[in-house]
Amino acid sequence: QKEVEQNSGPLSVPEGAIASLNCTYSDRVSQSFFWYRQYSGKSPELIMSIYSNGDKEDGRFTAQLNKASQYVSLLIRDSQPSDSATYLCAVKEVNRDDKIIFGKGTRLHILP
Amino acid sequence: DGGITQSPKYLFRKEGQNVTLSCEQNLNHDAMYWYRQDPGQGLRLIYYSQIVNDFQKGDIAEGYSVSREKKESFPLTVTSAQKNPTAFYLCASSNRQANTEAFFGQGTRLTVV
Repeated sequence: QKEVEQNSGPLSVPEGAIASLNCTYSDRVSQSFFWYRQYSGKSPELIMSIYSNGDKEDGRFTAQLNKASQYVSLLIRDSQPSDSATYLCAVKEVNRDDKIIFGKGTRLHILP
Repeated sequence: DGGITQSPKYLFRKEGQNVTLSCEQNLNHDAMYWYRQDPGQGLRLIYYSQIVNDFQKGDIAEGYSVSREKKESFPLTVTSAQKNPTAFYLCASSNRQANTEAFFGQGTRLTVV
């Protein structure tokens, strides 16, 4: 069974600091990796997607992928109170069964 | 506007009743998914469908049923066999032909009364 593991937190980070969120996955054939942000009572919204090894930057967000270690991370620079949410890691196999499996999420709390 | 519409937003069910949650998308996506989320938990896959008239069980399919008669629609029925149905239900879709993410509807919050 494919698994996606995340530390549930809460992770508390001072405003303006860097928040680092981590995720490991068990299935080596996973090809697509996503980070979603979910506010309480709302549906998840995509923050970042990454498909190849290395770093991908988008504004204050950087996703990092290491397929050999089966590890994907999300860095949030200059953390803002509005970043306080649950962050979900998701993995997808393309052209196989197309299942998208989510981790349990990490609760992030930005301290003003 | 393209997107995914779930209805209703809130649903109350009596013990022993079946209820059906609606999910419609106009994104022309082949793949559709149903997830369940319990308080403080991640998303658990109930059912997913890659094409019309075909669907597969996810990790927690017991007590649920689905159909995929049209590309745009993927309704979920919560049957009386589901012993603990109170949860937040999320429908999603994605493009099978591309390395793209899942797009979510607004969710349906189901409560057993």
